[in-house]
Amino acid sequence: KAGVTQTPRYLIKTRGQQVTLSCSPISGHRSVSWYQQTPGQGLQFLFEYFSETQRNKGNFPGRFSGRQFSNSRSEMNVSTLELGDSALYLCASSPGRGSEAFFGQGTRLTVV
Amino acid sequence: QKEVEQNSGPLSVPEGAIASLNCTYSDRGSQSFFWYRQYSGKSPELIMFIYSNGDKEDGRFTAQLNKASQYVSLLIRDSQPSDSATYLCAVNMASYGGSQGNLIFGKGTKLSVKP
Repeated sequence: KAGVTQTPRYLIKTRGQQVTLSCSPISGHRSVSWYQQTPGQGLQFLFEYFSETQRNKGNFPGRFSGRQFSNSRSEMNVSTLELGDSALYLCASSPGRGSEAFFGQGTRLTVV
Repeated sequence: QKEVEQNSGPLSVPEGAIASLNCTYSDRGSQSFFWYRQYSGKSPELIMFIYSNGDKEDGRFTAQLNKASQYVSLLIRDSQPSDSATYLCAVNMASYGGSQGNLIFGKGTKLSVKP
């Protein structure tokens, strides 16, 4: 069974640009969550999607947005990038809400 | 107020010893608890999950949960140098945002197993 796939693995963007990250969950998993990981703050929750609906959102500005498609694949978008957005962005899929989460390899975003 | 607390470490143990990792959480209504291992430069990998009070064993790993004390721990028996990593405690907090979909992570404990 294939794991969680995130693309791209690495990104370098300039301040002010926008970026879209993609996540394909494990087959059959309907819940997808996104996290931002930085050395200082650890893993911080961004959003959770289940059945194409955003069910929960973390404490991030509106520049961070996401969506989920009917095949459970998910994307997150960050607009007007800031230097502080440089981080590892992790997607996790779960068979159900609140159950064990399996992470993808992450997308390393660097904003210059 | 932090919601999931872990000692940052580093925790250093000799090869073959028992490593004990601890975690406390703030929401008494929390339902499910997870331990992840993260090697440097890699993504977190699920080791164990526990839902009920008591112990749960899987190979060299034992998770322990005490909901009354809001405490969860992970024991690693016969520690190996390959166990050297950061261990993340995660909690599904029923009351967080009014839903049960996401996990709240501690900042992790760095474990070093010396040969």
